[in-house]
Amino acid sequence: EVQLVESGGGLVQPGGSLRLSCAASGFTFSSYEMNWVRQAPGKGLQWVSYISTSGTSTYYADSVKGRFTISRDNAKNSLFLQMDGLRAEDTAFYYCARHLVDRKGRRWFDPWGQGTLVTVSS
Amino acid sequence: DTLMTQSPSSLSASVGDRVTISCRASQIISNYLNWYQQKPGKAPKLLIYAASSLQSGVPSRFSGSGSGTGFTLTISSLQPEDFATYYCQQSYSTPHTFGQGTKLEIK
Repeated sequence: EVQLVESGGGLVQPGGSLRLSCAASGFTFSSYEMNWVRQAPGKGLQWVSYISTSGTSTYYADSVKGRFTISRDNAKNSLFLQMDGLRAEDTAFYYCARHLVDRKGRRWFDPWGQGTLVTVSS
Repeated sequence: DTLMTQSPSSLSASVGDRVTISCRASQIISNYLNWYQQKPGKAPKLLIYAASSLQSGVPSRFSGSGSGTGFTLTISSLQPEDFATYYCQQSYSTPHTFGQGTKLEIK
């Protein structure tokens, strides 16, 4: 079974740091691009970051650029999101999601992990 | 960024109803459009990709259509388990933006 399990969320003060992890199983992790998507409580979905299969290409939403860093360890089937300079508006559930692409370049996210909650508050 | 606008934002319907949710993109995105379902406390689940392709395991009462800037998600006969929030997402350009969601509630 294809599965993604996030961990590392919690309560952190403004300006603090947190590192999220996403453990992948049931598929060849190194062959898939990956993403982080977040959802503030009661709000909609916001794409946060993308990483290529090798980790050499990364993209970020403008709202997190320069503060968040996505990375992966293909040997350990793991995806990470290092979050520095956290702000109250970063409070959200953070989901990792596998990135699928067809031969026409159309892309979608499947599956998603269950999410981990990050709360930024003093 | 490509703005995705869903309508309506919320919808009340009854079991057995036919329901249509619309999604409009601020620029042409061909058929680079996906639909997700999210139930309370759960992760989003892929329903439709590439505008009209049904994800494996998703009931055939779900269908998607559209191209360019206008898209629809149709549920042909609502079942109790379909009451959830639905999101569209474009994958034509980065960032892969989402619509604001449509909450489908029981009438």
